Amino acid sequence: GEDVEQSLFLSVREGDSSVINCTYTDSSSTYLYWYKQEPGAGLQLLTYIFSNMDMKQDQRLTVLLNKKDKHLSLRIADTQTGDSAIYFCAERLGWANNLFFGTGTRLTVIP
Amino acid sequence: EADIYQTPRYLVIGTGKKITLECSQTMGHDKMYWYQQDPGMELHLIHYSYGVNSTEKGDLSSESTVSRIRTEHFPLTLESARPSHTSQYLCASSESTSGRVDNEQFFGPGTRLTVL
Repeated sequence: GEDVEQSLFLSVREGDSSVINCTYTDSSSTYLYWYKQEPGAGLQLLTYIFSNMDMKQDQRLTVLLNKKDKHLSLRIADTQTGDSAIYFCAERLGWANNLFFGTGTRLTVIP
Repeated sequence: EADIYQTPRYLVIGTGKKITLECSQTMGHDKMYWYQQDPGMELHLIHYSYGVNSTEKGDLSSESTVSRIRTEHFPLTLESARPSHTSQYLCASSESTSGRVDNEQFFGPGTRLTVL
């Protein structure tokens, strides 16, 4: 079955870069996603990457995909206190609509 | 801006009560989903629907049931709530086109359920 894993916690100082990692097991992933969940709220899509890409940059966000190692990372440059949230990676298998979510990483930004 | 709503936002009830968690979206999306989020944050798909009169069970077994009589409405029902049902329930929707590039799922704010 699908298995998507993340570290549970990450703390960084304001202004530093944050790197959140994710590993998955199913090689038939077509798209991989990063979602952000703020306290008391639902999930919000941050960015996504197609499985045949190895990097995508969107303002402060950089997504790196190593398909051989089945490893996905999200780098947040110049991390701000407003970036404190839980970050979920998710994979989409084939062309199905369903997503499989990781365990979530709680990012805490220290002022 | 996503237009997907869940009510109630918070619910505290006693064991044995029947409850219905409401989810509505105004985007005309065919696909809708219910996720259960444990206190430890992990998200599990418990139900989904491809469209009206379609419902499927997700990856995590759940004693809840769902119905999809109207496109915009996807309620989740627990016939007899128990403390083990205490969790956060998140509803989401997406467009039905499988080839859509980003397949963004839009999430509601969630219902935090506590069963005493």
